[in-house]
Amino acid sequence: DAGVIQSPRHEVTEMGQEVTLRCKPISGHDYLFWYRQTMMRGLELLIYFNNNVPIDDSGMPEDRFSAKMPNASFSTLKIQPSEPRDSAVYFCASSSFWTGTTIDEQYFGPGTRLTVT
Amino acid sequence: EDQVTQSPEALRLQEGESSSLNCSYTVSGLRGLFWYRQDPGKGPEFLFTLYSAGEEKEKERLKATLTKKESFLHITAPKPEDSATYLCAVQAAIKAAGNKLTFGGGTRVLVKP
Repeated sequence: DAGVIQSPRHEVTEMGQEVTLRCKPISGHDYLFWYRQTMMRGLELLIYFNNNVPIDDSGMPEDRFSAKMPNASFSTLKIQPSEPRDSAVYFCASSSFWTGTTIDEQYFGPGTRLTVT
Repeated sequence: EDQVTQSPEALRLQEGESSSLNCSYTVSGLRGLFWYRQDPGKGPEFLFTLYSAGEEKEKERLKATLTKKESFLHITAPKPEDSATYLCAVQAAIKAAGNKLTFGGGTRVLVKP
């Protein structure tokens, strides 16, 4: 398996522009997670999906952020309008179903480095 | 609120100099504690899951242990390729927590030859 795929790997945009980050999870995984990583705040969970349904979006910082998962093999994280403080590395991760006895680990993608000027 | 604190923030080791990283946690019932390794410019890579106090897991030069309040990642006779940031995360056992992970700030390890 190619692992979790994210695109683009790098994005530079101007304040006020719309940014869309994309993620393809590992085939067969039921859970998809979006994280943001900064030096100041570390790795923070933004939102996660189970079977394409958003389960917890309490980490989404503002209404400017939205995420969708139209099918099991694709998800987007959109920022509109973008601001300089959104500059960070955004990671997508996926995992399979928790069996009740062991937890399946999350597999992370390579990340998208976003710079908003 | 679940909290994870890792120490030290950074660690410089000579090759072969063993050491330990600490992960202290506060969680509403622990379902699992995870250790990840992150190399520069890459996503975190899974190392271990620990479920209950007293549990230990090993992988090459790494050994993770767990108590009711903290976890340690022991690096024995490290090599330069062990240089990375090591992240600790917890998952709470309460239903509301779902499959969420709460991460610590990480420990940056540099092993010099």
